[in-house]
Amino acid sequence: AQKITQTQPGMFVQEKEAVTLDCTYDTSDQSYGLFWYKQPSSGEMIFLIYQGSYDEQNATEGRYSLNFQKARKSANLVISASQLGDSAMYFCAMRDQMDSSYKLIFGSGTRLLVRP
Amino acid sequence: DVKVTQSSRYLVKRTGEKVFLECVQDMDHENMFWYRQDPGLGLRLIYFSYDVKMKEKGDIPEGYSVSREKKERFSLILESASTNQTSMYLCASSPGTGVSNQPQHFGDGTRLSIL
Repeated sequence: AQKITQTQPGMFVQEKEAVTLDCTYDTSDQSYGLFWYKQPSSGEMIFLIYQGSYDEQNATEGRYSLNFQKARKSANLVISASQLGDSAMYFCAMRDQMDSSYKLIFGSGTRLLVRP
Repeated sequence: DVKVTQSSRYLVKRTGEKVFLECVQDMDHENMFWYRQDPGLGLRLIYFSYDVKMKEKGDIPEGYSVSREKKERFSLILESASTNQTSMYLCASSPGTGVSNQPQHFGDGTRLSIL
């Protein structure tokens, strides 16, 4: 069965510094996708970044990058130059690309607090 | 922009009531999903639908049912609400097959309290 593990329930980072949020996954599938979402205190889920299992390059979107290590089954999110508005819950999720339902499996999340 | 709209941000109901949570999306997406979110557990899939009148159970369907009579609308029904169904409920939608890198788009969530 597929599983996502986020081992950091909470983290602090100083404003303007970089932070890495850990995500490891377990799957026997060869074709899968990994997603990161941000959830501010208001509750909405905001899509941040996607990495496909066959993508050779690490995904980047602005200040977000994904450190994808396929052999270690890890897909850590790196946020550069943290801002106060980055304080939120962050969820890692995985999807089996051969599953036509495209449902996501989520980790338990990491709460990030950016200190001024 | 994709818009997923959930009918209520906050809802308070009583034990035993039948509760309806409504979700509407405006992007003609085939797939729609209902999750519940609890602290320390992340999001867990309750039900999903890949077409009108089609539905599939997710990981925690007990105590819930769904309805999808129109493509844009997906309803979650708590048949007889219980206190352990107090939670945050999130609806999402995504395109159908052939667009594997497309994310699910979420509504703002409904915080449901069962007293």
